[in-house]
Order: sequence, then structure tokens, then C-alpha cells
Amino acid sequence: GAGVSQSPRYKVAKRGQDVALRCDPISGHVSLFWYQQALGQGPEFLTYFQNEAQLDKSGLPSDRFFAERPEGSVSTLKIQRTQQEDSAVYLCASSSRGGYGYTFGSGTRLTVV
Amino acid sequence: AQSVAQPEDQVNVAEGNPLTVKCTYSVSGNPYLFWYVQYPNRGLQFLLKYITGDNLVKGSYGFEAEFNKSQTSFHLKKPSALVSDSALYFCAVRDGEGNYQLIWGAGTKLIIKP
Repeated sequence: GAGVSQSPRYKVAKRGQDVALRCDPISGHVSLFWYQQALGQGPEFLTYFQNEAQLDKSGLPSDRFFAERPEGSVSTLKIQRTQQEDSAVYLCASSSRGGYGYTFGSGTRLTVV
Repeated sequence: AQSVAQPEDQVNVAEGNPLTVKCTYSVSGNPYLFWYVQYPNRGLQFLLKYITGDNLVKGSYGFEAEFNKSQTSFHLKKPSALVSDSALYFCAVRDGEGNYQLIWGAGTKLIIKP
């Protein structure tokens, strides 16, 4: 596609619910990143894929967070048993090999109530 | 450790005046530097990057940035500010040695007053 597409755009979850956030990167982009952005702050790295391989998941805040990219294209970030502190905007970015430019999606705003 | 500092939480500029948003970095190896802009309820939009070559980089919407290796800075500039430039600006860096993770500054809110 022309850009990085994320869905849903907004998600309200009750505390304890599981959620799944989808990212559809630019076609052919090898690298895919997930970031978490709190209001008024810079993005915080969550995890990184190169094709289907998850090379770095050091930023995932707890074992409730899980990401996958099984066919090396679409990625899903899953959060189990959501907590209020999970409320944030979740950004996905993709990049071609070399990492000279990163294109971001519009993000998913997750609100846990 | 890699880091990015944006020392100003907010910058206020009158429309038509030049603007500067500051960024300094610390990274091992050669830096790849980026500026992104974020409008309310929108994702991050790419403005410009420095990978190699000329220290002065020109980007979208009339913005430019100068890479200064000795001062480890990459300040964002525009000769004449527009009200529509008001937004949140982020500086980011990665090292050029293979670590793809971007390290981000905390952001600077730019307010352009008519």
C-alpha cells in the first residue's frame, strides 16, 4: 500500500480485556517497529521485526504484551488483560532494508477504562 | 548509551520570524538523524534526515537542519515561520552500525503566533 495502515484507529477496552492491534506496513518493507507513545511524550520502542523474525522485543513492558508478524508483512500487537497504564497511542512504523527512512502509521489510541 | 536531548519543551515564535528547534544526540558510531512532526491526533510525519553528505539538509515544508558533528547537534530551522507550523516536533537518532532502533527526544512543542 501507499502508507502504513493501522487499525483500529481508536480502541476502548475494559480493564482485563484482551486487545489486538493491527499494522499493515508498506509493501516490501523488511523492517517493522512498534512504539508506545504516552500523551505529550516521545515514542518508546516496543519491538522490532525483520521480515517474520522478531529480532528485538526488549521494549515490551510485560509478558502481557505479545507481537507477531507470521508472514513478514502484517503485524499484530496483542495486549492481554489490559491495565489502565496500557492506555497510550501505539504506533507502527516500517522501513526498507537499510533503515534510512521510517514511515509511521496514524497509530491506535488505546484507552483502558 | 544512545540518547537524544531536546532541551526546550516549548518554543514560541511570531509568524514570519525564523525558528529553531534544538536537538543534541549521543550515539556510538556514525549517526543517522531524523526530524518528525506530529499534529494533534495524527501520526508522526517525516520531515528530513541526515545520513551522510552535506551537513545542511533540506526537507519538507521549507524546513532544514544542520548536522554539526563537533557539537553533536542537529537543530531544525525554518527561515520564516507559519502559523500552520505549530505542532510537536521530535528528533530521533540511530547509529549507522546496524542497530535499527530509533532513539527519540521528548519532543518540542512549537507555537507560532500570528
